[in-house]
Amino acid sequence: QKEVEQDPGPLSVPEGAIVSLNCTYSNSAFQYFMWYRQYSRKGPELLMYTYSSGNKEDGRFTAQVDKSSKYISLFIRDSQPSDSATYLCAMKSGGSNYKLTFGKGTLLTVNP
Amino acid sequence: GAVVSQHPSWVICKSGTSVKIECRSLDFQATTMFWYRQFPKQSLMLMATSNEGSKATYEQGVEKDKFLINHASLTLSTLTVTSAHPEDSSFYICSARPGLAREQYFGPGTRLTVT
Repeated sequence: QKEVEQDPGPLSVPEGAIVSLNCTYSNSAFQYFMWYRQYSRKGPELLMYTYSSGNKEDGRFTAQVDKSSKYISLFIRDSQPSDSATYLCAMKSGGSNYKLTFGKGTLLTVNP
Repeated sequence: GAVVSQHPSWVICKSGTSVKIECRSLDFQATTMFWYRQFPKQSLMLMATSNEGSKATYEQGVEKDKFLINHASLTLSTLTVTSAHPEDSSFYICSARPGLAREQYFGPGTRLTVT
């Protein structure tokens, strides 16, 4: 079993739709959770960074963490064509270990 | 803020030659820099972690003699792919961690093609 599982998609939605992206993980040591957006042939861009279980909102983006289920989600409201990209979840354990473990990424297309 | 640059963005080299990729943190000092490799439709795989002034720590399966990492200052790290072969063709991405922050900020990546 991989440490982080993420459905690669592709996921195609109409403009304005609510998008739900998810990752599951098996390593209980993961304490910090991130979502990155990566456009084609570009480096990942940090979207959300969370630590505790619960929701964190930033504009149209909401990150949700459920540590008891080892499940994290990213919701995008009022999706726009410019949101079309690959979304990567990433996780790290606590302490001074800064190594990130990434999911495979979900390719999202928002159609105008 | 938290901008990371990479140079070059794209490089083609012949098999057997070496190529150097630079990673710079433009508006912050990076305590730690990381080098990743990403194959098409795959996720990022960490190759090595480097701290300024120290030897890099390589992930299992990454040849340290083939992928030379130098972290000469708090704003610059270089990755040299020595004796490159076609199987080394990939997208190489660096990231940098500012100060005591937990977050990493990624560069735009370098596409290496070995012919």
